[in-house]
Amino acid sequence: SQQGEEDPQALSIQEGENATMNCSYKTSINNLQWYRQNSGRGLVHLILIRSNEREKHSGRLRVTLDTSKKSSSLLITASRAADTASYFCATDSGGSNYKLTFGKGTLLTVNP
Amino acid sequence: DTAVSQTPKYLVTQMGNDKSIKCEQNLGHDTMYWYKQDSKKFLKIMFSYNNKELIINETVPNRFSPKSPDKAHLNLHINSLELGDSAVYFCASSPQDSRHGYTFGSGTRLTVV
Repeated sequence: SQQGEEDPQALSIQEGENATMNCSYKTSINNLQWYRQNSGRGLVHLILIRSNEREKHSGRLRVTLDTSKKSSSLLITASRAADTASYFCATDSGGSNYKLTFGKGTLLTVNP
Repeated sequence: DTAVSQTPKYLVTQMGNDKSIKCEQNLGHDTMYWYKQDSKKFLKIMFSYNNKELIINETVPNRFSPKSPDKAHLNLHINSLELGDSAVYFCASSPQDSRHGYTFGSGTRLTVV
C-alpha cells in the first residue's frame, strides 16, 4: 500500500532558485527518507530523518519533519541543472522487518 | 566497483516466456530487496530477504519466485510472463537496522511483448 504522497507532482524552476517538495504520509513512522532518481537510473539515498528529529541538513539539502501533521519537506537551495531528477520520500514504519514504502515522487526540472 | 549490480539491464521477451534477473551486492549488507516500478514511477516492494531468509513477501503472483543462494545474491525468476509484468525491477540492499538507507541497483527494464 502507498504511504507517502509527494506534492507537487512536477516542479520546474530556474537554476539558482530554491526547490521545495512536500511529502505526506498516513501511519506512524520510525524514520523518513528522501531519494533521488535520475532518468533511467536507480534511486540514490539522500537523507534520513528519524521520527524524533525535526530538521536535518546535508549540503544544499534541508529536510523537515512534522510528525503531528504526518508531513515532511525537502528543500534544495541554489538549484543546479544537475539537480533535475525525480525525488521520492520513503517511510519506515518500524516493526520487526525493515521495509520502505515509497511515494509517487516529484519530478524536478531545473532550467539552465 | 558497483555496489549493487543487476543483470540484465534490458530484457525484451514474449508473453508466456520464463526469465530471470540477477542481483549481487558487495556491501556486506544483510538484507536485500526487489521493488517494481511501474510506468507511473510508483515503486512497490515485492520481496525482502535477510541473510538468505525470506522475510517480506508482498501480494505478488506466485509466478514470481525469488532465490537467495547467499546473502550477497538475490535473483528473481518470473514464469509465464504477462504484458502487465512490463516494468522496471530494482534490486536494493541495506544493513539490517533501519538507521541507514537502501542502496539500489540501476534497474532492469522488462518489456513483455
